[in-house]
Amino acid sequence: NAGVTQTPKFQVLKTGQSMTLQCAQDMNHEYMSWYRQDPGMGLRLIHYSVGAGITDQGEVPNGYNVSRSTTEDFPLRLLSAAPSQTSVYFCASNSHGGNYGYTFGSGTRLTVV
Amino acid sequence: KQEVTQIPAALSVPEGENLVLNCSFTDSAIYNLQWFRQDPGKGLTSLLLIQSSQREQTSGRLNASLDKSSGRSTLYIAASQPGDSATYLCAVDRGSTLGRLYFGRGTQLTVWP
Repeated sequence: NAGVTQTPKFQVLKTGQSMTLQCAQDMNHEYMSWYRQDPGMGLRLIHYSVGAGITDQGEVPNGYNVSRSTTEDFPLRLLSAAPSQTSVYFCASNSHGGNYGYTFGSGTRLTVV
Repeated sequence: KQEVTQIPAALSVPEGENLVLNCSFTDSAIYNLQWFRQDPGKGLTSLLLIQSSQREQTSGRLNASLDKSSGRSTLYIAASQPGDSATYLCAVDRGSTLGRLYFGRGTQLTVWP
């Protein structure tokens, strides 16, 4: 199984540009979520989804947009990139009542200049 | 709001020592507790998952325990090796807010030969 796939692995953006970070899972998991990881801050939740068509905000949602049109995909959109969004982004998935815990993607390292 | 704390923040030990990493959480109404390992510049690798009805889980030299009533979990690493050097993260899956994890900031472990 591929698990959770994130693309791209690295990205450099200029301030004000927009882009979409892709996340796909092939495990038929209902739950998907996006975190950002910054030095000294730990992992912070951006947005999450408990199923297709359902999304909710986490602790740091400003400047990000999500949608969940299929079970497999949960893209994260940066509307107008800012240097404060320089971070490593992780996508995760899990099944409702799952006994194996959350599976994480390998991350996207984003730099905004 | 669920808060997760990990102690110590950093630990440096010689090879061969038995280690205990601590995790505490403020809301005992959790569904699962999951321990992850993260190597520098890499993603999160799941080590152990403890369901709320369980008291401990074991995998090789790793043993994790859970005491829901006191809001505590410990990760025990037996006979530590330099290859165990990494950051260890504790995360809880809160029963009332499905679809997301609450993370501690991690314990950075260095095992020297």
